Amino acid sequence: AQTVTQSQPEMSVQEAETVTLSCTYDTSESDYYLFWYKQPPSRQMILVIRQEAYKQQNATENRFSVNFQKAAKSFSLKISDSQLGDAAMYFCAPVFDMRFGAGTRLTVKP
Amino acid sequence: GAGVSQTPSNKVTEKGKYVELRCDPISGHTALYWYRQSLGQGPEFLIYFQGTGAADDSGLPNDRFFAVRPEGSVSTLKIQRTERGDSAVYLCASSLRRIANVNEQFFGPGTRLTVL
Repeated sequence: AQTVTQSQPEMSVQEAETVTLSCTYDTSESDYYLFWYKQPPSRQMILVIRQEAYKQQNATENRFSVNFQKAAKSFSLKISDSQLGDAAMYFCAPVFDMRFGAGTRLTVKP
Repeated sequence: GAGVSQTPSNKVTEKGKYVELRCDPISGHTALYWYRQSLGQGPEFLIYFQGTGAADDSGLPNDRFFAVRPEGSVSTLKIQRTERGDSAVYLCASSLRRIANVNEQFFGPGTRLTVL
């Protein structure tokens, strides 16, 4: 079975600080894409960043970056200079079978 | 429209009743997905359409759940004989084509179903 694990149900970060959300997965696929989605209280899922598994270079999108380690099947999200608007549920979705992780609730303290 | 829309935004029904939830995907998106999200959980895959056909319905929990997409655009998720355990937010997403070919999913705002 293919699984997605987000081991941190909740995380907290001080405004302007950096936080890393972890995600591990299991798959027998060799070529796939990985996504991090953000879901604020409005419940609208928004794509944060994507990573292509065949690329060794980690994806970066403004204050968001990933640490992708294919051999370890790890796909963590780093948020730099955290802002109050970053507070949300974050879901890891290594998309080989449309499964999502259980999510990490991020709180940003002013 | 500009994004994925879902109607109604909230639905309250009684146990045993039939409900239909509607999803309007982004124009031109051939792939459409339904998910169910319970409180504090991640989205749980239900069914995926490529065009008019259900390419993968392995996530449907039982035969009370059924979905259609007759013209390859709008989709309706149908739940018969609703149970209290069906209460959740039902999310719809669409993408240009099957997600394994890279394209990200665009999500609707969801329908919150409450079964009393």
